Order: sequence, then C-alpha cells, then structure tokens
Amino acid sequence: KNQVEQSPQSLIILEGKNCTLQCNYTVSPFSNLRWYKQDTGRGPVSLTIMTFSENTKSNGRYTATLDADTKQSSLHITASQLSDSASYICVVSSHGSSNTGKLIFGQGTTLQVKP
Amino acid sequence: NAGVTQTPKFQVLKTGQSMTLQCAQDMNHNSMYWYRQDPGMGLRLIYYSASEGTTDKGEVPNGYNVSRLNKREFSLRLESAAPSQTSVYFCASSEERGDTQYFGPGTRLTVL
Repeated sequence: KNQVEQSPQSLIILEGKNCTLQCNYTVSPFSNLRWYKQDTGRGPVSLTIMTFSENTKSNGRYTATLDADTKQSSLHITASQLSDSASYICVVSSHGSSNTGKLIFGQGTTLQVKP
Repeated sequence: NAGVTQTPKFQVLKTGQSMTLQCAQDMNHNSMYWYRQDPGMGLRLIYYSASEGTTDKGEVPNGYNVSRLNKREFSLRLESAAPSQTSVYFCASSEERGDTQYFGPGTRLTVL
C-alpha cells in the first residue's frame, strides 16, 4: 500500500535553533517528492520538489534531502524563526498507467518555534 | 493575479442542508482538485479534474459531487450535509496532474 509517514508528529524548538523533519515513504513507482508548508488557517505552499536523481535541494533556510534507496526524505530548517511555525507536509507523487500524477500525502509535522 | 480563490471562507449548515463550495483559478491550469483536511488525517482527495470536461473520484468521494464549469472554475456540492462532513475544504490547481499544486485559502465547514 502506498503510504507516507512523517515524524515527529509535533515539535517545539527555540528561535534560532535548527531542526530536522523526517518523511518515510513506500510509494511505488516513485516520481517525485515535495515538501509543503502550511501556516495556520492557510492552504499549503510548496517549498521544494525532488526527483529520483536529486539528493539535496535548498530553498533559503530550508534544505531537503532524498535517499531513494532507503525511501527517506528529510527537511532541515536552519536558524529557525518564529515565522517557521507551521505544519510541514511531505507529498510523494507516483506514476504509472493508472497512477499518473497521483499524490500521496503525509499527515504532517507541526512545528512551533518559541522566542 | 489572485491564484486560487475559494468562497465562502466559513459556513455553518444543519444536517440535511445542501450547499456548493466555489473555487476559481487564474493561472490557466488544466488540473483542479478538492481536498478535505481533518485533524490527524492529513489532506484527502475528494474529487479531481485532470482537464476541462473531465472529473474523477478521489479517495473520499461519497456524499459529494463536483462540476468543472470551465477551465477556471471547479465547484464542490454537498447535496445533504452530514456532521461527518465537518472539515476544512481546500481547492487546488496545477498545470497538469502530478505537477506542483497551488492551494486556495480553504473553507471551514461545520455541519450541526
């Protein structure tokens, strides 16, 4: 069964600290993996997209990694800010005759950054 | 360029009432989607439209109907609302199915 599991479920850190969020998936066949940020009361916004051949991709203070062999991804946030408080959702895209473009969503990690 | 817009932002219904959630995008995207988001469940796909004129069921279609009115607009209808449909509903669009999706601000629906 295609699944995306994220950990931890929630996380509290102090402003200025770093943190890493994890995403494990069992989606097959794999097309790409995205990380979305969802602020409270808003819709998700895409942060990064990674394909099979990419190991690392950065977007400002956000760095995503992908290990296609172990089917794991991580999102590292450097020097956290209060505005990083949000839910972070891992989304894996599958492809194939019946699954083209199918997205499988993780449940998200809720991050709270405290001053 | 407003992106994806949704109306209404909030709605309270009584069990058995009907309503239509509206969604429009101005990015000339081919694909549009309706999701519901419940605590601890993540986003679940209700229906999607891969292109104008087509609609398909997602993961949780029961109790809902959709209409792809034109390339810009994709509406979600609840014919007879039930308390289990209390949720936050998001509309999204993408150039093609599988591409990065752009989400609207959501509609918070409560069914009493």
